[in-house]
Amino acid sequence: GAGVSQSPSNKVTEKGKDVELRCDPISGHTALYWYRQSLGQGLEFLIYFQGNSAPDKSGLPSDRFSAERTGGSVSTLTIQRTQQEDSAVYLCASSSGLAGSAEQFFGPGTRLTVL
Amino acid sequence: GQNIDQPTEMTATEGAIVQINCTYQTSGFNGLFWYQQHAGEAPTFLSYNVLDGLEEKGRFSSFLSRSKGYSYLLLKELQMKDSASYLCAVLSYNTDKLIFGTGTRLQVFP
Repeated sequence: GAGVSQSPSNKVTEKGKDVELRCDPISGHTALYWYRQSLGQGLEFLIYFQGNSAPDKSGLPSDRFSAERTGGSVSTLTIQRTQQEDSAVYLCASSSGLAGSAEQFFGPGTRLTVL
Repeated sequence: GQNIDQPTEMTATEGAIVQINCTYQTSGFNGLFWYQQHAGEAPTFLSYNVLDGLEEKGRFSSFLSRSKGYSYLLLKELQMKDSASYLCAVLSYNTDKLIFGTGTRLQVFP
């Protein structure tokens, strides 16, 4: 596609429910990243994929968070038993993964609200 | 450890010049990015510095000093549409992991 897309754009859920967020990276981009941005805060790194594998999971806040990527393309971020502190904008970015082309292109984000 | 510092807020006047500073301490360095983020929107790429010196791109310039762990973003001929948050981010060596600062919210007044 022309850019990184994410769905849904907005998600409102009740505390304790599971949610699944989806990211479609730019076609051909091998690297994919998930970030979280709370209101008025900077971006918090969550997880990074190179192809289908995640060499760095250090940013996942707890074991309620998991992510997968299939076919070297689409990625899903799953949050189980959501808590109110999970409310944030979840941003996905992709990059070509080529040396010297480290620019990350961001999707529009999913705004998650946990009631 | 990783630490990136930038001012929280800045104000400037339309037509003026503003410099946004960023200092960093990282365990591995593979380049520094500046992103612009308008309220409610995703960050968009502005610049990437991996070598010392000044990179100029239109009204925006970015400077890097690796020995000092210091960068700045220079915005010239400010326009109202430049009101946004400016995010400094350091690329971690070997992992392609971007560590972001909290961002500098710039307000441009007429």
